[in-house]
Amino acid sequence: QITLKESGPILVKPTQTLTLTCTFSGFSLSTSAVGVGWIRQPPGKALEWLALLYWNDDNHFSPSLKTRLTITKDTSKNQVVLRMTNVDPTDTATYYCTHLAGWLSDSWGQGTPVSVSS
Amino acid sequence: EIVLTQSPGTLSLSPGQRATLSCRASQSVGNNYLAWYQQKPGQAPRLLIYNTYSRATGIPDRFSGSESGTDFTLTISRLEPEDFAVYYCHQYAFSPLTFGQGTKVEIK
Repeated sequence: QITLKESGPILVKPTQTLTLTCTFSGFSLSTSAVGVGWIRQPPGKALEWLALLYWNDDNHFSPSLKTRLTITKDTSKNQVVLRMTNVDPTDTATYYCTHLAGWLSDSWGQGTPVSVSS
Repeated sequence: EIVLTQSPGTLSLSPGQRATLSCRASQSVGNNYLAWYQQKPGQAPRLLIYNTYSRATGIPDRFSGSESGTDFTLTISRLEPEDFAVYYCHQYAFSPLTFGQGTKVEIK
């Protein structure tokens, strides 16, 4: 059974760096064709794809956020970390990590809410 | 970037009725890599349909997906009370991956 759980700060100040961790079980990022994605959802709004990372370190980012995002993995801990620099209030959202089958998000974490405010 | 436009924004129907949700892509979605998700308030999205037609594990057969060129459709044959939710289409053929803006299916 695949499970994912996001963790990180609930509140971040503008201009700070947001660090979110996805801790998962039921699969390994050392296995071929396995990946983890990040998607966010501002309050009352639609889903927005952010980034993905594959077992072989292949990664893709949303063009609008590419300069602010990094994504890394710790295979031994079954974790993927997303960092977003220079946050502002428009980054307020619930952030989800997902298991990727190909590029399809077939399992989702419960999400973690992040508010950006001074 | 492939833009997905969902319509209608809100669908007001009664239990037992048929729901037809549309998702139009701005260009061809390779390999029909189009999915549908259901999201209820306070919950993460749940995968319903992938590869345009295939139901995810555990999804009842009242949910079905279809396509005609760049127009994709999610059909719920007979609405059950638990089907009232927001539905999103999602293309995962090309980076950047994209989502539609959602269709809310509400009780009439």
